Amino acid sequence: EAGVTQFPSHSVIEKGQTVTLRCDPISGHDNLYWYRRVMGKEIKFLLHFVKESKQDESGMPNNRFLAERTGGTYSTLKVQPAELEDSGVYFCASSFNRVAGANVLTFGAGSRLTVL
Amino acid sequence: AQKITQTQPGMFVQEKEAVTLDCTYDTSDQSYGLFWYKQPSSGEMIFLIYQGSYDEQNATEGRYSLNFQKARKSANLVISASQLGDSAMYFCAMREGVGEDFNKFYFGSGTKLNVKP
Repeated sequence: EAGVTQFPSHSVIEKGQTVTLRCDPISGHDNLYWYRRVMGKEIKFLLHFVKESKQDESGMPNNRFLAERTGGTYSTLKVQPAELEDSGVYFCASSFNRVAGANVLTFGAGSRLTVL
Repeated sequence: AQKITQTQPGMFVQEKEAVTLDCTYDTSDQSYGLFWYKQPSSGEMIFLIYQGSYDEQNATEGRYSLNFQKARKSANLVISASQLGDSAMYFCAMREGVGEDFNKFYFGSGTKLNVKP
């Protein structure tokens, strides 16, 4: 079974440019999450999709961040325009949509974003 | 207030010895889940172990065990017989909520474990 895949693995852009990160969740996983880890800090929640709907986007830093999940399959996270403080590792994770039990998150390898 | 607190930014352990990584959590929910993930230098996040708030016994998975002390709100990870391959970042996480909020996860800042030969 293919895991969660993220692309690109590393992106270096200049302040003011646009970057789009992509996540392909595990097939059949309705839940899709984006998280971000800034160097040395905790992994912070950005948003949560259930299928194509945004269940919770309370962690999105500001309106420079736009996440979409087309048809409930893959998701994109666009940062436009990028600022220096957006640098970090962006993780995508997916899980089955359960209302009880372990419901383990499966993570991708992350997309490292460096804004110069 | 932070939901998950990991107070050890870095730790060293001698190969073959046991090590405990600390994690405390903050929730007012009765139903929640606690997780540990490992992140080796390659970057992927690997699920290690899960403990449900209603589980009476501590979870164990091979060399990993979770020392769950509900009254103290702590969920420490114990790794027995450390191996060089255990060197990695370790993240504690909590899932709380019911219904639509059930699938919200919070993570700590991580502990970097170095296993010495």
